[in-house]
Amino acid sequence: EVLLVESGGTLVQPGGSLRLSCVASGFTFSNFWMTWVRQAPGKGLEWVANINADGSEKNYVASVKGRFSISRDDTANSLHLDMTNLRDDDTAMYYCARERAAYDSSDYWGRGTLVTVSS
Amino acid sequence: EIVLTQSPATLSLSPGERATLSCRASQSVNTYLAWYQHKPGQAPRLLLYDVSNRAPGVPARFSGSGSGIDFTLTISSLEPEDSAIYYCQQRIDWPPLTFGGGTKVEI
Repeated sequence: EVLLVESGGTLVQPGGSLRLSCVASGFTFSNFWMTWVRQAPGKGLEWVANINADGSEKNYVASVKGRFSISRDDTANSLHLDMTNLRDDDTAMYYCARERAAYDSSDYWGRGTLVTVSS
Repeated sequence: EIVLTQSPATLSLSPGERATLSCRASQSVNTYLAWYQHKPGQAPRLLLYDVSNRAPGVPARFSGSGSGIDFTLTISSLEPEDSAIYYCQQRIDWPPLTFGGGTKVEI
C-alpha cells in the first residue's frame, strides 16, 4: 500500500523558517517525481514545487521561488520542503504527492501538515 | 500561466441525480487535464487523468470528456459519499501545474 506521511507543520512567526518532511512507503521512491501542493484556509489547491526522480530538476511556483527549496533523500524515502522568510499568505495545509510521471497528475497524496504563519 | 476556471462554484443535487462539472482553460491544454476529489480532512484523490482515464479504484460513475479548452466531469448517479470539492488540473504548461478553483458538490 502506498503511504505518504507529512510532518513538520507548526506555528511560526513571519520571517521564520520551517522544514516539512514527507516519508514514503509502499513503492520505489527513487523512481518517481514528487510534488508539494498547499491549500490555504478557505481556498483551493495550489501547486507549490516538484522534483524529479534523481533530484537534479526542481521547479517552483513564482510566489515561493527563492524562499522555498524542495529536496529528497532516497536513502530515507523522504521528501523535504525547506521554507524560509515565511509570510502570512504561506499559511496552509501542505500536501506531499507522488506524480504518475514527469509533470503528470498526482496519483497518491498524504493527509497534509498544517503550517500557520502568524505573530 | 494557464488559468483554469471551474463552474459552477457549488452544485446541490440529490442522490441518484447526474452531476455535470465544467472546467475551462485560458488556452488549450490538449487532453492534459486531470480531475481530483477532495473531502475535508482527507488526502485529495485522483479521479481521472488525461481527461477520461479513471485512476485505479475509481467507480465507473465518474467520467470525463473534452479537449482543448473545455472539459467536463460527469458523475452519472450521485452517491452520498460523492459530497466533496472537485478540482481540475492541467499539465501541459509548467511550472506551475495549475489547478482550477474547485466545484463543491453538495448532496
